[in-house]
Amino acid sequence: EVQLVESGGGLVQPGTSLKLSCVASGFTFSDYWMSWVRQTPGKTMEWIGDIKYDGSYTNYVSSLKNRFTISRDNAKSTLYLQMSNVRSEDTATYYCTRGTTEGFDYWGQGVMVTVSS
Amino acid sequence: DIQMTQSPSFLSASVGDRVTINCKASQNINKYLNWYQQKLGEAPKRLIYNTNNLQTGIPSRFSGSGSGTDYTLTISSLQPEDFATYFCLQHNSFPYTFGAGTKLELK
Repeated sequence: EVQLVESGGGLVQPGTSLKLSCVASGFTFSDYWMSWVRQTPGKTMEWIGDIKYDGSYTNYVSSLKNRFTISRDNAKSTLYLQMSNVRSEDTATYYCTRGTTEGFDYWGQGVMVTVSS
Repeated sequence: DIQMTQSPSFLSASVGDRVTINCKASQNINKYLNWYQQKLGEAPKRLIYNTNNLQTGIPSRFSGSGSGTDYTLTISSLQPEDFATYFCLQHNSFPYTFGAGTKLELK
C-alpha cells in the first residue's frame, strides 16, 4: 500500500525557515518524480514544484522558486521541502504527492504550517 | 500560467441525483485533466485521470469527459459517501494548476 506521511509543520514566525519531510512507503521511491502541493485556509490548491526521481532536476512555480527548495534522499525514501523567509501567506496545509505521466496519483494526509508572530 | 475555472463552487444535491462539475482551462490542455475527491481530514483521492480514465477502485458512477479547454466530471447517481469536495488539475504544462473546487453538499 502506497503511503506518504508528511511531518515538520507547526507554528512559525515570519521571516524564519522550516523544513518539511515526507516519508514514502509501499513503492520504489527512487522510481518516481515527487511534488509538493499546498492548500490555503481558503481551500485554494497550489502546486509548489517537483523533483526528478534521481534528484537531478527540479521545477518550481515561479512565485516560490526563490524561497522554497525541494530535495530528496532516496536511501531514506524521503522528500523534503525547505521553506525560507516564510510569510503569512505561506500558511497552508502542505501535501506531498507522487507524480506519474497521468498526474498525481497518491497524496499524503498533509501537514499544517501556520506563519504568525 | 493556465487558469482553471471550476464551476459550480457549491452544489446541493440528493442521494440518487446525477450531477456534473465543470472545469474550463484558459488554453488547450490536451486532455491532461484529472479529477480528485477530498474529504475533511483525508488525503485527496484521484478519481479520473487524463480526462476519462477511471482510477482503479473508483466506482463506475464517476466518469469524465471533455477536450480542448472544457472538461466535465459526472456522478451518475449520488451515494451518501460522495458528499465531499471535488477539484480538477491540469498537468499539461508547468506550472500545474488546479480548479478552485466544488463542495458537494446534501440537499
